[in-house]
Amino acid sequence: GAVVSQHPSWVICKSGTSVKIECRSLDFQATTMFWYRQFPKQSLMLMATSNEGSKATYEQGVEKDKFLINHASLTLSTLTVTSAHPEDSSFYICSARGPRDQPQHFGDGTRLSIL
Amino acid sequence: SQELEQSPQSLIVQEGKNLTINCTSSKTLYGLYWYKQKYGEGLIFLMMLQKGGEEKSHEKITAKLDEKKQQSSLHITASQPSHAGIYLCGADITGTASKLTFGTGTRLQVTL
Repeated sequence: GAVVSQHPSWVICKSGTSVKIECRSLDFQATTMFWYRQFPKQSLMLMATSNEGSKATYEQGVEKDKFLINHASLTLSTLTVTSAHPEDSSFYICSARGPRDQPQHFGDGTRLSIL
Repeated sequence: SQELEQSPQSLIVQEGKNLTINCTSSKTLYGLYWYKQKYGEGLIFLMMLQKGGEEKSHEKITAKLDEKKQQSSLHITASQPSHAGIYLCGADITGTASKLTFGTGTRLQVTL
């Protein structure tokens, strides 16, 4: 149980393109979904928290107009990197959680490379 | 400085040996979660500790939470190559269960 699917797993695109990443909870309802960014050999950096049906809460320093998050249903959240530039290249990971006393379950991540 | 420090940063052990990874917080721990990550992949949930003194085991992995010391340890008994990976602790340091702060990670290699 508690499977989270993240798609795509790998994206290469030109600078200026917008990229959408999907995160789905396959066998449970995710009240809350989280989006993280991970740099090589570093820990996870929380970008934003999204609750179904409400606006995402962004961490300090994360541009909400740059990283658009939508959590339209209890099983799907999307992260759109708008007008991506090479500095946005990174490994993005989502997680999903049901009730607050339950752990977060993670997707397999998306490696984004902007040329 | 990091709010959640892990030690050691990396570890190489021979197959069959025991090892311990520590996670120390500069703030009160309201919940502590251990995950394992393989390079370039997502995180696999291992264990969740929510009460001081709590100890949980799964197969050859045991995790403990020392609330007073603001510390958790992960112990692997008789390590195997399948235990290799990056171990991350994540903690609720806000008390609201709203988000987790992750540690710096411990990279484990198991040699034959």
